[in-house]
Amino acid sequence: GAVVSQHPSWVICKSGTSVKIECRSLDFQATTMFWYRQFPKQSLMLMATSNEGSKATYEQGVEKDKFLINHASLTLSTLTVTSAHPEDSSFYICSAPPGLAGATPSTDTQYFGPGTRLTVL
Amino acid sequence: LAKTTQPISMDSYEGQEVNITCSHNNIATNDYITWYQQFPSQGPRFIIQGYKTKVTNEVASLFIPADRKSSTLSLPRVSLSDTAVYYCLVGPIYNQGGKLIFGQGTELSVKP
Repeated sequence: GAVVSQHPSWVICKSGTSVKIECRSLDFQATTMFWYRQFPKQSLMLMATSNEGSKATYEQGVEKDKFLINHASLTLSTLTVTSAHPEDSSFYICSAPPGLAGATPSTDTQYFGPGTRLTVL
Repeated sequence: LAKTTQPISMDSYEGQEVNITCSHNNIATNDYITWYQQFPSQGPRFIIQGYKTKVTNEVASLFIPADRKSSTLSLPRVSLSDTAVYYCLVGPIYNQGGKLIFGQGTELSVKP
């Protein structure tokens, strides 16, 4: 099946610094990718939809100026956590559906990356 | 997007069949039902997807009654490695604007 990678797999940073997380679709193109955040013992929470060549759309309550998303190519989306604070410590996961928008409707589901563990000290 | 309700947790023993039921009373006509599995500190992994009746693959079966207001994920002869959180999601397939919203999930614990 399709593979989605994330880098780094874990990161520790000091409070006030910015951290960039990459999400790549390795063997398919994705005009859209999704970013989730997951706190311990909780479910995944959708943060935003990353759109190639256009602005990301954020879910209600997610600060777009704090979580900067850039979808620079059909295989790469980045999430930058700016001025990170300890409460931003979480597990960040991206996903991508296979196929380009407008392709033949498919029941193919989304493929998830392995996640990035962010710890802010 | 249709809201889903699942049991928070379930316990089972190795070799048993496990059935996890998900309620989705407000499922829409173009919604599909998809189940994911997630191990700690990993991204979710697709298990099975269906629209109606029964779907079977090499790891699970999905039973969907005619009214589609619920679905049951069936895991045959579970092993310790099936201990994970299982999520039921309901929504349109991607090409119809499918955005996945995760519910609370069911934490399955398989004991020896």
